[in-house]
Amino acid sequence: GNSVTQMEGPVTLSEEAFLTINCTYTATGYPSLFWYVQYPGEGLQLLLKATKADDKGSNKGFEATYRKETTSFHLEKGSVQVSDSAVYFCALRLIQGAQKLVFGQGTRLTINP
Amino acid sequence: EAQVTQNPRYLITVTGKKLTVTCSQNMNHEYMSWYRQDPGLGLRQIYYSMNVEVTDKGDVPEGYKVSRKEKRNFPLILESPSPNQTSLYFCASSLLETDTQYFGPGTRLTVL
Repeated sequence: GNSVTQMEGPVTLSEEAFLTINCTYTATGYPSLFWYVQYPGEGLQLLLKATKADDKGSNKGFEATYRKETTSFHLEKGSVQVSDSAVYFCALRLIQGAQKLVFGQGTRLTINP
Repeated sequence: EAQVTQNPRYLITVTGKKLTVTCSQNMNHEYMSWYRQDPGLGLRQIYYSMNVEVTDKGDVPEGYKVSRKEKRNFPLILESPSPNQTSLYFCASSLLETDTQYFGPGTRLTVL
């Protein structure tokens, strides 16, 4: 089946640290890949996306590269801020499945000043 | 302002008492969907709709109903809520031809 696996949280870092949140997927076909972010008390917001192999999505200093050979889409940021504290979800969308998103379990990130 | 709204934001109810959670979007989106979010499980799709009068089951539809009589509204109905439906619920919408889904702020439901 189609699934997304994220690294277990919670993750706690100090401000200006380097961030990596791992995400791997299993899918039939060629999915589009997404990272969504959920700030406290809010709904999910699209952070970045990539639609084909070797694409790099980027936004707000975050980056993720679609790696078909390792079926991965790891989220990275070079220097995190307190305001990056949130829950991060990796997700895939199957082209043939229309708009359906399959989510990972989420990773809670806390950044300490 | 383009947005997805949900009401109520918080609800505590008792087993068996019918309830409806409303969802409305003002972006003229064809696609709308309901998800539930549970710890360690991420978001799972309950139902979705590709357009007016077109709805279909997601991954966890048992115990839920939906309707899509108007393009902007997509209510989620729990005819006889049970404690295992205690969860955080999100409505989302998008255009059919785009990748980006817009999420509502969530409804936290507790069934006692």
